[in-house]
Amino acid sequence: GAGVSQSPSNKVTEKGKDVELRCDPISGHTALYWYRQSLGQGLEFLIYFQGNSAPDKSGLPSDRFSAERTGGSVSTLTIQRTQQEDSAVYLCASTDSHTEAFFGQGTRLTVV
Amino acid sequence: AQSVSQHNHHVILSEAASLELGCNYSYGGTVNLFWYVQYPGQHLQLLLKYFSGDPLVKGIKGFEAEFIKSKFSFNLRKPSVQWSDTAEYFCAVTGYNFNKFYFGSGTKLNVKP
Repeated sequence: GAGVSQSPSNKVTEKGKDVELRCDPISGHTALYWYRQSLGQGLEFLIYFQGNSAPDKSGLPSDRFSAERTGGSVSTLTIQRTQQEDSAVYLCASTDSHTEAFFGQGTRLTVV
Repeated sequence: AQSVSQHNHHVILSEAASLELGCNYSYGGTVNLFWYVQYPGQHLQLLLKYFSGDPLVKGIKGFEAEFIKSKFSFNLRKPSVQWSDTAEYFCAVTGYNFNKFYFGSGTKLNVKP
């Protein structure tokens, strides 16, 4: 595609429900990142996928968070039993590993 | 782990004023350096990048940044800001192998018309 696409753009969910956020990276990009942007907190690294290597999950804040990347392309970030502190903008980025990261528009998650 | 510090959290300038935003990183090896900008309601976009070569890098919209290895710094500058530069600016660093991007906490710039 022309850019990184994320869906949904906005998600409101009730506390305790599970949510899935989707990222379609730029075609051919081998690396994919998830970041979380909270108000006044900057960008918090969550997880990094590079080709067929084991993902770097070191940024996931708890075991309620998981992500997968199927076929080296689309990625899904899943948050189980959502909490109010999970409210943030979740950003996906991809890169061909030789240049800058290209970001999607993000998914604004609100947990009520 | 690497860290990136942006000491200015909120900057307010009048149009035509000069801008310098600080960025310091902690990593002793080869680094790749970036400045990203996020205009209100838009996604993060690359402003400029440094991989190697001339440490003074020119980007879009009249922005430039200087890599000073001895100071672990990559400060962003613009001689004369415009109202349209109102945005949030993020400094980012990766290692030589372009794995994890480490971001600073961002600097909100408000330019008064």
